[in-house]
Amino acid sequence: DTEVTQTPKHLVMGMTNKKSLKCEQHMGHRAMYWYKQKAKKPPELMFVYSYEKLSINESVPSRFSPECPNSSLLNLHLHALQPEDSALYLCASSQVAGGIFDQYFGPGTRLLVL
Amino acid sequence: QKEVEQNSGPLSVPEGAIASLNCTYSDRGSQSFFWYRQYSGKSPELIMSIYSNGDKEDGRFTAQLNKASQYVSLLIRDSQPSDSATYLCAVRTSYGKLTFGQGTILTVHP
Repeated sequence: DTEVTQTPKHLVMGMTNKKSLKCEQHMGHRAMYWYKQKAKKPPELMFVYSYEKLSINESVPSRFSPECPNSSLLNLHLHALQPEDSALYLCASSQVAGGIFDQYFGPGTRLLVL
Repeated sequence: QKEVEQNSGPLSVPEGAIASLNCTYSDRGSQSFFWYRQYSGKSPELIMSIYSNGDKEDGRFTAQLNKASQYVSLLIRDSQPSDSATYLCAVRTSYGKLTFGQGTILTVHP
């Protein structure tokens, strides 16, 4: 089973709202990732968690706050977003970060910021 | 120079033909190489990974890796309309990050 699940599928929020995106995997993977993808562009890495610790932050604005409560769960907390943050947010996981391990994506959350 | 470059598209092939997708990368220390397929409005789906020089076949898909030339390709045999999608080449560089090319749009016409 190579399934990564994400909720919600769609999210519309105002610039003053606080919301959270959730991601879950049950493959025993110890690395989890958040990516942002704009239309007709490749995914852009935002954060990497390795063994539940944040290992990479790609200079993401503080209005995005990641959290890894345990090895199966990854959250992305959103606050005071801007319309340009509207995008497809993808969660991914791999056995470990780096190395020769496959990385699997979830279905994504399509976010619209009004 | 971009870290990962894919052949510019879009690429259009007739049904039943071989589609050839190419990718070059700049980091000689890169360890692993992936091809993802992404349908419009969907997330990337891993279709092939390759770690060693040579060919790797899986059904109608063959990935080819040449580390000396820093080149990786994907061949799709007997192309079907359902193969129409954007194909993303991704390279895990020596510092562990997965870097994507810009993608090649493939259209298979009946």
